Amino acid sequence: AQSVSQHNHHVILSEAASLELGCNYSYGGTVNLFWYVQYPGQHLQLLLKYFSGDPLVKGIKGFEAEFIKSKFSFNLRKPSVQWSDTAEYFCAVRSNSNSGYALNFGKGTSLLVTP
Amino acid sequence: NAGVTQTPKFRVLKTGQSMTLLCAQDMNHEYMYWYRQDPGMGLRLIHYSVGEGTTAKGEVPDGYNVSRLKKQNFLLGLESAAPSQTSVYFCASGEGGLQPQHFGDGTRLSIL
Repeated sequence: AQSVSQHNHHVILSEAASLELGCNYSYGGTVNLFWYVQYPGQHLQLLLKYFSGDPLVKGIKGFEAEFIKSKFSFNLRKPSVQWSDTAEYFCAVRSNSNSGYALNFGKGTSLLVTP
Repeated sequence: NAGVTQTPKFRVLKTGQSMTLLCAQDMNHEYMYWYRQDPGMGLRLIHYSVGEGTTAKGEVPDGYNVSRLKKQNFLLGLESAAPSQTSVYFCASGEGGLQPQHFGDGTRLSIL
């Protein structure tokens, strides 16, 4: 079955620490990959997306993600986190078989950054 | 530019009551979606629409109905609310193709 897996459900980091959140998917064929962020009490906002080309994608707020096709992975990274990065992060995948260009989301990773 | 607007933002219902959640977008998007978000479950697709007058089932459609009578509006209905439908509901819209989806602020629904 098609699925999106986020390995870490809860992550706690100190400010200035480096971040890497894992995302793996089980879809075959062409995929579009996304990371969304949800700050407390807010709606989902797009951090970055990958459709084709350079597998290293840079997004907003210093985030980047690397698409590794052979590993079916799209991990999110940030070299130095800030307190304001405290949020929930969702990986999402859209494959050619998704009707209506719908997204399949992972279960999310809750990130807490402590001062 | 309002983007995607959901009403209401909060609602408490009793089991068996019915209600309609409204989603409106002003970006002229063809595609609209309703998701529910539950703790530890991420977002799951309830129904979606690929254009005015069309709707289709998503991953968790049971207990919900939708309508897309106008391109800018996508309504989600609960005919007979159940406690299992307590959730946060998000509407999204998009142009399809290679474009990402834009999300509304959510509706927090509690069913007692």
